[in-house]
Amino acid sequence: GQNIDQPTEMTATEGAIVQINCTYQTSGFNGLFWYQQHAGEAPTFLSYNVLDGLEEKGRFSSFLSRSKGYSYLLLKELQMKDSASYLCAVRDYSGGYQKVTFGIGTKLQVIP
Amino acid sequence: GAGVSQSPSNKVTEKGKDVELRCDPISGHTALYWYRQSLGQGLEFLIYFQGNSAPDKSGLPSDRFSAERTGGSVSTLTIQRTQQEDSAVYLCASSLSPQGYPNYGYTFGSGTRLTVV
Repeated sequence: GQNIDQPTEMTATEGAIVQINCTYQTSGFNGLFWYQQHAGEAPTFLSYNVLDGLEEKGRFSSFLSRSKGYSYLLLKELQMKDSASYLCAVRDYSGGYQKVTFGIGTKLQVIP
Repeated sequence: GAGVSQSPSNKVTEKGKDVELRCDPISGHTALYWYRQSLGQGLEFLIYFQGNSAPDKSGLPSDRFSAERTGGSVSTLTIQRTQQEDSAVYLCASSLSPQGYPNYGYTFGSGTRLTVV
């Protein structure tokens, strides 16, 4: 099984930088995803990490440390439209197949 | 289709009735997943299909829940004798390859909001 922890809520100011952390415990780790979910909408794929290090994609970056079971999502130059929930999801290989498990999500509120 | 399509978008049903939720994945996506999201909760895995077979049904909460997929495409999630605790948003997702491997994320549908009264 998996245990995925992330803060439930965060608040940040428009134009600032925010870091959303995710820790996980799993065997057979095989990748970590970040998704964005606006209220009342479906989650949308943001990023994927399987090796240690930073993956940058525009204003969004995602970092992974496999030895620490730790990832973060970094959002730069925050915009009001970035107010959403951010879901950390871990894929692992167990029981003969791969499975993706989602965390509860971090609700980010961007204020003027 | 261009995206994952789910129907109905909203469903209100009386306790004890059966409901069917439909998912039409992206054309060519062999893997299909059902998740459930209750208010303020994370995504709860229900079932995974690869083609028409379901190698992982471990998330189905009880024997009142079943799902099938035909023609490697459309999937139906059936809930029998619905209970109030079944009220949630049921999300379907598809991906090109099993479990979103290697780095293709899932594409989610907009979900079916089920309310059991």
